[in-house]
Formats: sequence, structure tokens, C-alpha cells
Amino acid sequence: GQSLEQPSEVTAVEGAIVQINCTYQTSGFYGLSWYQQHDGGAPTFLSYNGLDGLEETGRFSSFLSRSDSYGYLLLQELQMKDSASYFCAVRPLMNRDDKIIFGKGTRLHILP
Amino acid sequence: DSGVTQTPKHLITATGQRVTLRCSPRSGDLSVYWYQQSLDQGLQFLIQYYNGEERAKGNILERFSAQQFPDLHSELNLSSLELGDSALYFCASSAGDNQPQHFGDGTRLSIL
Repeated sequence: GQSLEQPSEVTAVEGAIVQINCTYQTSGFYGLSWYQQHDGGAPTFLSYNGLDGLEETGRFSSFLSRSDSYGYLLLQELQMKDSASYFCAVRPLMNRDDKIIFGKGTRLHILP
Repeated sequence: DSGVTQTPKHLITATGQRVTLRCSPRSGDLSVYWYQQSLDQGLQFLIQYYNGEERAKGNILERFSAQQFPDLHSELNLSSLELGDSALYFCASSAGDNQPQHFGDGTRLSIL
């Protein structure tokens, strides 16, 4: 089957760096996306990796390694407002079962 | 503001009933996606439309159906409602398949 695995919860301290991993089991996909969702809010797009390597957007970076079936989201200089759930997502290569797959999400807790 | 508008914001109805959720995509976006998010769960992809045509189908129940109209707005119809259908339903739009998705604020559906 096709699935994305993320840790359910991660805790970090304000000002620190945290990495949220996403491992996947899918035969092929276009790219890996990351979304942030605050409690009671809508998901918002953070980052997309179409190719292997690191993409940097301000305090957030995302990494993809297709050979290792692995990606991560790196959050630096953590702020209390970063407390949220983070989802990785892929769109498998076109086939009869062309679905968009989201991981179950990682809830990030920031401690002062 | 993502530019995606969903109505209504809240909907309370009874088992066995039928409801229609509406979504207006961001200006210029041709793709519309529908997702279901149950309490403390990830996003379950239901269906995608692109420029009026069904583009991809996820785990959408036969009791559910959707369409995208010529003006690109979309409707998700849920019928024979069951208690388990209580959830947050999100609509998202994007310019294309591998472009960032922009989510609406969601419709919270409660089945009594």
C-alpha cells in the first residue's frame, strides 16, 4: 500500500531547532509537500520538494531523499506560534488509483 | 486569507438527511479538492476536480458526490448522513496538480 509515516508528537523548546520526519511507502510520486495546521484552523502550505535536496524558506526548511524514502521538515528559532500540527503529503504518480496522501500529522509542542 | 471560500461554516443536521457544502476557489485556480478531517485525525482526500472534470478520486463514499461548475465553484453533496460523517470538511484549490493547495476555513458538520 501507499502510506506516509510521521511521529504523532514532538516537543521542543522555544528558540531551538526541531526536525519532523516523514517516511513513505509509495512506488513513485511527484513531490513531497508540508502543511501547517493550528488548532481549529485550516491547513496552510509551507514547502514543496519536487527534487531531492534541501529547500529553504525563512525559518523553515524541507528535505527529500527519494533513494531513502524519507523527508523532513526543519524548523529553526522556534517560536510559540509554531505550536501546531504538521502534515507531509504526496501525490503518487498517475495510475488508476491516483490519490493524494497525507500523513496523520505531527503535533509540535513548544515549551517556553 | 487563502482566497478560498467555503459555506456554510457550520452545519447541524440529523441522521438520514442530505446536505450540500459549497466552495469557491481562489481566483485563477482551476483545481478544487475536497477533504474530510475527523477529530484528531489527518486529512482524508475525497475527490479532486480540474476545470470541471473529475481529476482524482480518493476514499469517497458512494453516499457522497461532488461536482465543479463552469464558474469553477464546487459543491460536495453528502446524503443518507450517519453519525460517523460528523467531521470538518475542507475545500482547497490550486493552479495545477503539483502546485501548493490553498485551503478554505472548512465546514464543520455535526450529525445529531
